[in-house]
Amino acid sequence: AQKVTQAQTEISVVEKEDVTLDCVYETRDTTYYLFWYKQPPSGELVFLIRRNSFDEQNEISGRYSWNFQKSTSSFNFTITASQVVDSAVYFCALSEAYTGRRALTFGSGTRLQVQP
Amino acid sequence: SQTIHQWPATLVQPVGSPLSLECTVEGTSNPNLYWYRQAAGRGLQLLFYSVGIGQISSEVPQNLSASRPQDRQFILSSKKLLLSDSGFYLCAWSVRAVRTNEKLFFGSGTQLSVL
Repeated sequence: AQKVTQAQTEISVVEKEDVTLDCVYETRDTTYYLFWYKQPPSGELVFLIRRNSFDEQNEISGRYSWNFQKSTSSFNFTITASQVVDSAVYFCALSEAYTGRRALTFGSGTRLQVQP
Repeated sequence: SQTIHQWPATLVQPVGSPLSLECTVEGTSNPNLYWYRQAAGRGLQLLFYSVGIGQISSEVPQNLSASRPQDRQFILSSKKLLLSDSGFYLCAWSVRAVRTNEKLFFGSGTQLSVL
């Protein structure tokens, strides 16, 4: 069965600090997809990134970057020079490409608080 | 553009009362539809998903049920609410695809408090 673990329940940083959110996953499938979502205080989840299991290149989007390492089954998310607006709960998620279960498995989330 | 509407935003219900949460999607056809629940301080738990009208897959056995009477309408129901049903309920949709690699688009959620 697939599983996503976000061991960090809550992280608090001061504005402009860099912060890394950890995500470790388990799957038996060789083809799968990994996601990160952001849940701001308003509650609605916002899609950040999708990565397939065959693409291990790191990705950078502005202050956000993602480090996918298949060898350690990790898909970590780094925010550089954090800002107060980054305060939210961040979820990592996994989907297996060829199972009949057409849904994402989410981790328990990491609450990030960025203090001014 | 596609939009997803979910209502009500907040709901306070007594134990044993019925429940009906509604979700509709606009601007797309044949979406996959999902109901997730987020308990306080916890992650997202998939409750139901649907790949078509009348097709419902249940992830967790419980006193909740889901229905899809129309292509873009997804309803979460209960005949008798329990205290443990309290939580934040999120509806989501994705493009229907053979592979589960399509990203989810979420509604704004319903905060349900069962007292």
